[in-house]
Amino acid sequence: DQQVKQNSPSLSVQEGRISILNCDYTNSMFDYFLWYKKYPAEGPTFLISISSIKDKNEDGRFTVFLNKSAKHLSLHIVPSQPGDSAVYFCAASRMNRDDKIIFGKGTRLHILP
Amino acid sequence: GVTQSPTHLIKTRGQQVTLRCSSQSGHNTVSWYQQALGQGPQFIFQYYRKEENGRGNFPPRFSGLQFPNDSSELNVNALELDDSALYLCASSLWGFYGYTFGSGTRLTVV
Repeated sequence: DQQVKQNSPSLSVQEGRISILNCDYTNSMFDYFLWYKKYPAEGPTFLISISSIKDKNEDGRFTVFLNKSAKHLSLHIVPSQPGDSAVYFCAASRMNRDDKIIFGKGTRLHILP
Repeated sequence: GVTQSPTHLIKTRGQQVTLRCSSQSGHNTVSWYQQALGQGPQFIFQYYRKEENGRGNFPPRFSGLQFPNDSSELNVNALELDDSALYLCASSLWGFYGYTFGSGTRLTVV
């Protein structure tokens, strides 16, 4: 049972435009959400997170939006740069720290010149 | 950062394997994940203060250890072909979600 779903395996975006990566979750007990970025031959690196008490969190070019009623979150990258080409994983957990972080399958983002 | 060894490994079905992880300095929690091809990382287990603190849907032949210096081992017995995957170690400081991942060990079972 996939509790965190990233339905787009890949996405291509023109350099300078906005990249929007989507994620859905099924477990209403999740209250903390994270995005990780992964380059080939490297481990995932933390990008941005959001707690369920907020609906938006921004860090430079990266913004994460959370819609709890729809159990949906999205990552916006503006403007997209060539170095943003990577696999992006959406992840979710509960803040009590007894639970693991559950990852989606990832979305491969290609930034086109 | 987090270092994992070896980077690549080929084993025969039925054999046993030990993967190693050195945590980031100051971190006291280690989590292990399995990432099969085309999938996201799947949680195996987490260690804090040398005790297993949570386990994912993996059989007992997956076991681990955490040492006093907070380094860790993942042991897999009776290897199966489906165990072929990238194994990721992540360290963190208990109470914070600042997971730092290693680059992983690519295990191939033939």
